[in-house]
Amino acid sequence: DAKTTQPPSMDCAEGRAANLPCNHSTISGNEYVYWYRQIHSQGPQYIIHGLKNNETNEMASLIITEDRKSSTLILPHATLRDTAVYYCIVRVVASNYQLIWGAGTKLIIKP
Amino acid sequence: SQTIHQWPATLVQPVGSPLSLECTVEGTSNPNLYWYRQAAGRGLQLLFYSVGIGQISSEVPQNLSASRPQDRQFILSSKKLLLSDSGFYLCAWTPWGQGPPWEKLFFGSGTQLSVL
Repeated sequence: DAKTTQPPSMDCAEGRAANLPCNHSTISGNEYVYWYRQIHSQGPQYIIHGLKNNETNEMASLIITEDRKSSTLILPHATLRDTAVYYCIVRVVASNYQLIWGAGTKLIIKP
Repeated sequence: SQTIHQWPATLVQPVGSPLSLECTVEGTSNPNLYWYRQAAGRGLQLLFYSVGIGQISSEVPQNLSASRPQDRQFILSSKKLLLSDSGFYLCAWTPWGQGPPWEKLFFGSGTQLSVL
């Protein structure tokens, strides 16, 4: 099973870029990397996903290393509303529907 | 646009009582539906998923069951709740027929269940 490792918590100043790292050294060649976030007591929200190339959308950018063993989610201009738990997830190859969710990174944006 | 409704938001139930949580999706047809559970401070654990009416797959043996009586309705049930059933329950959906990645999940707002 491909699993991920994330720091348990991080701080970032409001208005600065928040860079959230994720290690997934056992990822398989056809497994996507997904990022979700969960604001306290709410359902998780999809942010972005990628396979090999870097990706950007209106919420964030995803940088995947060339060997695909790690990635970084970048929130370019963090706001207080970005305070949440951020999950980096890869899909289990053997299952069509199973994502392995870790404990994520608690990101606290400070004014 | 598509929306997902999940209720109730909070629930306190005694041990041994039955459970029924309901989830409905609007604005789409034949969605894939999921039930997840989240323990405090932990990631999500997939409990059940369904690709169509009456089709339920269980990921984790437990005291719970799921049913899909209608295309956009997903129900999580238990005949007798245990203390260990406490947690945050989330319903989610993905569009039918969408190619990889299938896992762009859309979540409901969740139900906080406390079994006492």
